[in-house]
Amino acid sequence: QVQLVQSGAEVKKPGSSVKVSCKASGGTFSSYTISWVRQAPGQGLEWMGRIIPILGIANYAQKFQGRVTITADKSTSTAYMELSSLRSEDTAVYYCARALGSHAFDIWGQGTMVTVSS
Amino acid sequence: QSVLTQPPSVSAAPGQKVTISCSGSSSNIGNNYVSWYQQLPGTAPKLLIYDNNKRPSGIPDRFSGSKSGTSATLGITGLQTGDEADYYCGTWDSSLSAEVFGGGTKLTVL
Repeated sequence: QVQLVQSGAEVKKPGSSVKVSCKASGGTFSSYTISWVRQAPGQGLEWMGRIIPILGIANYAQKFQGRVTITADKSTSTAYMELSSLRSEDTAVYYCARALGSHAFDIWGQGTMVTVSS
Repeated sequence: QSVLTQPPSVSAAPGQKVTISCSGSSSNIGNNYVSWYQQLPGTAPKLLIYDNNKRPSGIPDRFSGSKSGTSATLGITGLQTGDEADYYCGTWDSSLSAEVFGGGTKLTVL
């Protein structure tokens, strides 16, 4: 059974960038899409964007256009999410999730806490 | 402000049934499949229902999903204290070209 294992917690300064990784353990990405979803403290889920790893094609939520870059390395079955120009409002847990064909997210990473603070 | 609308909270006694609603529009729920997620405190969301009413392997049949028009409903029967969690609906929005979620509903089992 595939598991998604994410990189560890990060503390960043405002204006800097963060790059979070998501590795498929026990399998590969195959033909699924990988999305990134974030959750600010005490708030709901917010979709940021997704990538089809075998094609390398990514698309992003309008809110994050120009600030987020999602990439994937097929050889290591690892996806990455880089968010730039960080501000305090970006403090959140960032999840990667595998999507079924109907867009349902059936496998989630354990989450990566990103704290933006001066 | 979430694209999909859920009640902030619901509650019921152990053993009882509860429903959680999710309201959207023709660009999301009306023309796309709905999924439901359970998020226990401090953990990642877990898929409960996909394709409106299908349960992944391992999800008990106490959980059910339905959809009518631009609204969807999650039903939970035989409530247990372990069901206390936040529940989210989600779907694709064809106008936004984005995945969208409800704001989440906190279930309390009294």
